[in-house]
Amino acid sequence: EAGVVQSPRYKIIEKKQPVAFWCNPISGHNTLYWYLQNLGQGPELLIRYENEEAVDDSQLPKDRFSAERLKGVDSTLKIQPAELGDSAVYLCASSQEGGGIFAGELFFGEGSRLTVL
Amino acid sequence: GENVEQHPSTLSVQEGDSAVIKCTYSDSASNYFPWYKQELGKRPQLIIDIRSNVGEKKDQRIAVTLNKTAKHFSLHITETQPEDSAVYFCAASTGNFNKFYFGSGTKLNVKP
Repeated sequence: EAGVVQSPRYKIIEKKQPVAFWCNPISGHNTLYWYLQNLGQGPELLIRYENEEAVDDSQLPKDRFSAERLKGVDSTLKIQPAELGDSAVYLCASSQEGGGIFAGELFFGEGSRLTVL
Repeated sequence: GENVEQHPSTLSVQEGDSAVIKCTYSDSASNYFPWYKQELGKRPQLIIDIRSNVGEKKDQRIAVTLNKTAKHFSLHITETQPEDSAVYFCAASTGNFNKFYFGSGTKLNVKP
Protein backbone atom coordinates (compact mmCIF):
# COMPACT_ATOMS: atom_id res chain seq x y z
CA GLU A 1 0.00 0.00 0.00
CA ALA A 2 1.35 3.42 -0.93
CA GLY A 3 1.89 5.80 1.95
CA VAL A 4 1.19 9.51 2.13
CA VAL A 5 2.91 11.19 -0.82
CA GLN A 6 4.13 14.77 -0.74
CA SER A 7 5.85 16.99 -3.26
CA PRO A 8 8.14 18.71 -3.64
CA ARG A 9 10.52 17.30 -1.04
CA TYR A 10 12.63 20.44 -1.06
CA LYS A 11 11.93 23.99 -2.13
CA ILE A 12 14.14 27.06 -1.96
CA ILE A 13 12.58 30.42 -2.73
CA GLU A 14 13.22 34.07 -2.09
CA LYS A 15 11.02 35.94 0.35
CA LYS A 16 7.80 37.37 -1.04
CA GLN A 17 7.59 34.59 -3.61
CA PRO A 18 4.68 32.13 -3.62
CA VAL A 19 5.06 28.41 -2.97
CA ALA A 20 2.70 25.43 -3.06
CA PHE A 21 2.90 21.97 -1.58
CA TRP A 22 0.90 18.97 -2.68
CA CYS A 23 -0.24 15.93 -0.71
CA ASN A 24 -1.87 12.67 -1.70
CA PRO A 25 -3.17 10.80 1.35
CA ILE A 26 -3.52 7.07 1.81
CA SER A 27 -6.46 5.74 -0.17
CA GLY A 28 -9.62 5.68 1.91
CA HIS A 29 -8.38 8.06 4.58
CA ASN A 30 -11.01 10.72 5.07
CA THR A 31 -9.00 12.92 7.44
CA LEU A 32 -6.08 14.93 6.10
CA TYR A 33 -3.75 17.17 8.11
CA TRP A 34 -1.13 19.75 7.35
CA TYR A 35 1.46 20.19 10.07
CA LEU A 36 4.33 22.63 10.46
CA GLN A 37 7.54 21.28 11.95
CA ASN A 38 10.30 23.63 12.96
CA LEU A 39 13.77 22.25 13.58
CA GLY A 40 13.91 20.36 16.87
CA GLN A 41 10.19 20.77 17.53
CA GLY A 42 7.13 18.61 17.39
CA PRO A 43 4.57 18.94 14.59
CA GLU A 44 2.07 21.78 14.98
CA LEU A 45 -1.31 21.55 13.30
CA LEU A 46 -2.07 24.08 10.57
CA ILE A 47 -5.30 22.66 9.19
CA ARG A 48 -7.37 19.49 9.36
CA TYR A 49 -9.82 18.26 6.75
CA GLU A 50 -12.64 15.80 7.13
CA ASN A 51 -13.24 14.82 3.53
CA GLU A 52 -13.35 18.14 1.66
CA GLU A 53 -14.35 20.23 4.67
CA ALA A 54 -11.78 22.17 6.68
CA VAL A 55 -12.92 21.44 10.24
CA ASP A 56 -9.99 22.98 12.10
CA ASP A 57 -7.98 25.83 10.61
CA SER A 58 -7.56 27.93 13.72
CA GLN A 59 -3.73 27.77 13.53
CA LEU A 60 -3.50 28.62 9.84
CA PRO A 61 -2.17 32.16 9.23
CA LYS A 62 -4.91 33.09 6.83
CA ASP A 63 -3.33 36.31 5.64
CA ARG A 64 -0.72 34.37 3.69
CA PHE A 65 -1.57 30.68 3.92
CA SER A 66 -4.37 28.89 2.11
CA ALA A 67 -5.27 25.27 1.60
CA GLU A 68 -7.76 23.25 -0.36
CA ARG A 69 -8.81 19.66 -0.63
CA LEU A 70 -10.89 19.30 -3.73
CA LYS A 71 -12.99 16.15 -4.04
CA GLY A 72 -11.85 15.12 -0.57
CA VAL A 73 -8.65 13.42 -1.75
CA ASP A 74 -5.50 15.40 -2.69
CA SER A 75 -4.70 18.62 -0.94
CA THR A 76 -2.62 21.70 -1.67
CA LEU A 77 -1.11 24.11 0.82
CA LYS A 78 -0.07 27.51 -0.49
CA ILE A 79 1.94 30.35 0.98
CA GLN A 80 1.81 33.76 -0.67
CA PRO A 81 3.92 35.71 -0.06
CA ALA A 82 6.51 33.64 1.80
CA GLU A 83 8.46 35.17 4.68
CA LEU A 84 11.81 34.20 6.18
CA GLY A 85 10.07 32.73 9.22
CA ASP A 86 8.17 30.27 7.05
CA SER A 87 11.30 28.15 6.60
CA ALA A 88 10.34 24.78 8.05
CA VAL A 89 9.17 21.30 7.11
CA TYR A 90 5.54 21.03 6.07
CA LEU A 91 4.20 17.61 6.92
CA CYS A 92 1.04 16.11 5.51
CA ALA A 93 -0.67 13.27 7.35
CA SER A 94 -3.82 11.25 6.97
CA SER A 95 -5.96 8.94 9.05
CA GLN A 96 -9.21 7.08 8.84
CA GLU A 97 -11.84 6.91 11.50
CA GLY A 98 -10.75 5.07 14.56
CA GLY A 99 -12.83 2.51 16.38
CA GLY A 100 -15.62 3.98 18.46
CA ILE A 101 -14.43 6.87 20.59
CA PHE A 102 -10.78 6.62 19.59
CA ALA A 103 -8.90 8.47 16.88
CA GLY A 104 -7.44 6.53 14.01
CA GLU A 105 -3.71 6.01 13.50
CA LEU A 106 -1.92 8.97 11.96
CA PHE A 107 0.31 8.36 8.94
CA PHE A 108 2.80 11.01 7.84
CA GLY A 109 4.32 11.88 4.51
CA GLU A 110 8.05 12.55 4.08
CA GLY A 111 7.48 16.28 4.32
CA SER A 112 8.32 19.28 2.18
CA ARG A 113 11.30 21.25 3.43
CA LEU A 114 10.96 24.95 2.64
CA THR A 115 13.86 27.37 2.76
CA VAL A 116 13.04 31.05 2.33
CA LEU A 117 16.04 33.26 1.51
CA GLY B 1 -6.92 23.00 24.24
CA GLU B 2 -4.64 20.11 25.11
CA ASN B 3 -1.03 20.76 26.21
CA VAL B 4 1.51 17.95 25.94
CA GLU B 5 4.90 18.30 27.62
CA GLN B 6 7.77 15.92 26.95
CA HIS B 7 10.98 15.26 28.88
CA PRO B 8 13.89 15.03 28.51
CA SER B 9 14.67 16.94 25.35
CA THR B 10 17.86 14.92 24.85
CA LEU B 11 18.84 11.53 26.19
CA SER B 12 22.12 9.72 25.77
CA VAL B 13 22.48 6.08 26.79
CA GLN B 14 24.99 3.31 26.32
CA GLU B 15 24.04 0.48 23.99
CA GLY B 16 22.19 -2.19 25.93
CA ASP B 17 20.89 0.20 28.56
CA SER B 18 17.24 1.21 28.94
CA ALA B 19 15.76 4.56 27.93
CA VAL B 20 12.66 6.21 29.35
CA ILE B 21 10.87 9.22 27.88
CA LYS B 22 8.01 10.87 29.75
CA CYS B 23 5.05 12.96 28.66
CA THR B 24 2.29 14.73 30.53
CA TYR B 25 -1.01 15.97 29.16
CA SER B 26 -3.57 18.44 30.44
CA ASP B 27 -6.93 17.37 29.00
CA SER B 28 -8.49 14.53 30.96
CA ALA B 29 -10.65 13.77 27.90
CA SER B 30 -7.58 12.63 25.93
CA ASN B 31 -7.83 8.91 25.34
CA TYR B 32 -5.32 7.87 22.68
CA PHE B 33 -1.56 8.28 23.05
CA PRO B 34 0.74 7.37 20.16
CA TRP B 35 4.53 7.52 20.05
CA TYR B 36 6.41 8.38 16.88
CA LYS B 37 10.01 7.84 15.89
CA GLN B 38 11.58 10.26 13.44
CA GLU B 39 14.99 9.59 11.95
CA LEU B 40 16.92 12.47 10.45
CA GLY B 41 15.24 13.69 7.29
CA LYS B 42 12.56 11.02 7.45
CA ARG B 43 8.86 10.98 8.22
CA PRO B 44 7.60 10.39 11.78
CA GLN B 45 6.54 6.76 12.09
CA LEU B 46 4.28 5.21 14.69
CA ILE B 47 6.14 2.78 16.92
CA ILE B 48 3.57 2.07 19.61
CA ASP B 49 0.33 3.51 20.91
CA ILE B 50 -1.97 3.07 23.87
CA ARG B 51 -5.62 3.73 24.47
CA SER B 52 -6.99 4.94 27.76
CA ASN B 53 -8.73 1.67 28.50
CA VAL B 54 -5.39 -0.04 29.22
CA GLY B 55 -2.51 0.85 31.49
CA GLU B 56 0.39 -0.75 29.67
CA LYS B 57 1.27 -2.10 26.25
CA LYS B 58 4.40 -3.88 25.13
CA ASP B 59 5.88 -4.72 21.75
CA GLN B 60 9.21 -6.54 21.90
CA ARG B 61 11.75 -4.04 23.27
CA ILE B 62 9.38 -1.10 23.56
CA ALA B 63 6.58 -0.51 26.03
CA VAL B 64 4.28 2.33 26.94
CA THR B 65 2.65 2.95 30.30
CA LEU B 66 -0.28 5.25 31.02
CA ASN B 67 -1.35 6.80 34.31
CA LYS B 68 -4.70 8.48 33.71
CA THR B 69 -4.96 9.81 37.26
CA ALA B 70 -1.65 11.63 37.01
CA LYS B 71 -2.14 12.36 33.31
CA HIS B 72 1.20 11.09 32.20
CA PHE B 73 2.48 8.36 29.93
CA SER B 74 5.95 7.02 29.26
CA LEU B 75 7.90 5.21 26.57
CA HIS B 76 10.32 2.53 27.68
CA ILE B 77 12.97 1.11 25.38
CA THR B 78 15.00 -1.82 26.72
CA GLU B 79 18.28 -3.22 25.39
CA THR B 80 18.83 -0.12 23.30
CA GLN B 81 20.66 -0.41 19.99
CA PRO B 82 22.39 2.24 17.85
CA GLU B 83 19.50 2.08 15.37
CA ASP B 84 17.20 3.32 18.12
CA SER B 85 18.93 6.69 17.82
CA ALA B 86 16.30 9.17 16.57
CA VAL B 87 13.88 11.82 17.77
CA TYR B 88 10.84 10.46 19.57
CA PHE B 89 7.55 12.35 19.81
CA CYS B 90 4.61 11.63 22.05
CA ALA B 91 1.11 12.76 21.20
CA ALA B 92 -2.34 12.88 22.74
CA SER B 93 -5.69 12.75 21.02
CA THR B 94 -9.12 13.55 22.36
CA GLY B 95 -12.00 11.35 21.43
CA ASN B 96 -12.90 10.67 17.86
CA PHE B 97 -12.17 14.16 16.64
CA ASN B 98 -8.92 12.95 15.11
CA LYS B 99 -7.03 15.92 16.54
CA PHE B 100 -3.51 15.24 17.77
CA TYR B 101 -1.30 17.32 20.04
CA PHE B 102 2.43 16.60 19.98
CA GLY B 103 5.19 16.91 22.51
CA SER B 104 8.35 18.81 21.63
CA GLY B 105 10.40 15.66 21.05
CA THR B 106 13.28 13.77 22.67
CA LYS B 107 16.52 13.23 20.81
CA LEU B 108 17.79 9.80 21.82
CA ASN B 109 21.43 8.96 21.20
CA VAL B 110 22.53 5.36 21.75
CA LYS B 111 26.29 5.11 22.00
CA PRO B 112 27.89 1.88 20.75
